[in-house]
Amino acid sequence: DAGVIQSPRHEVTEMGQEVTLRCKPISGHNSLFWYRQTMMRGLELLIYFNNNVPIDDSGMPEDRFSAKMPNASFSTLKIQPSEPRDSAVYFCASMGDLGGEQYFGPGTRLTVT
Amino acid sequence: GEDVEQSLFLSVREGDSSVINCTYTDSSSTYLYWYKQEPGAGLQLLTYIFSNMDMKQDQRLTVLLNKKDKHLSLRIADTQTGDSAIYFCAESVSDSNSGYALNFGKGTSLLVTP
Repeated sequence: DAGVIQSPRHEVTEMGQEVTLRCKPISGHNSLFWYRQTMMRGLELLIYFNNNVPIDDSGMPEDRFSAKMPNASFSTLKIQPSEPRDSAVYFCASMGDLGGEQYFGPGTRLTVT
Repeated sequence: GEDVEQSLFLSVREGDSSVINCTYTDSSSTYLYWYKQEPGAGLQLLTYIFSNMDMKQDQRLTVLLNKKDKHLSLRIADTQTGDSAIYFCAESVSDSNSGYALNFGKGTSLLVTP
């Protein structure tokens, strides 16, 4: 298995533009997590899905952020409009059955200028 | 939520033991984890401990859990320069809808000097 796949690996965009981050979880995993990592705040859980259903989105910063999981093999995190303070590394992780290990993707480094 | 606390920085000499400490918040956490992050990479699970255990050993790694004090530690024996990385402590946060989110500490940067 290729592990969790994220794209793009790097994204540079201007303030106000829409940004879409993509994630393909490990096949067979039924939970998917989106995290944001910054120096100031560390790793923050934004949202997680179980069986494609959003379970907890309380970590989503504001309405500019949205996430979808249309099927078991694909999820997106969208920021519209983007702002400089959204600059961070965004990680996707997937997990099999209850508990155990979350497998992290390599992350997308987002820079909003 | 409340913070998982870790010291931010630790420096040790090659060959010495490293001990990274963590204080977690949720006494009902089922699992407690140590993740490692190397520069420019995602997080990799090093080890985890089930909450009904006091200790777990895996080669050079020893995890100690004190549930009363909500304290978790990671000991790395014979620390090598390749162990230099950021180490994250995490607690599981379960909910009734199944699926376990993790609450991470801010990470401890371990620097191993020759």
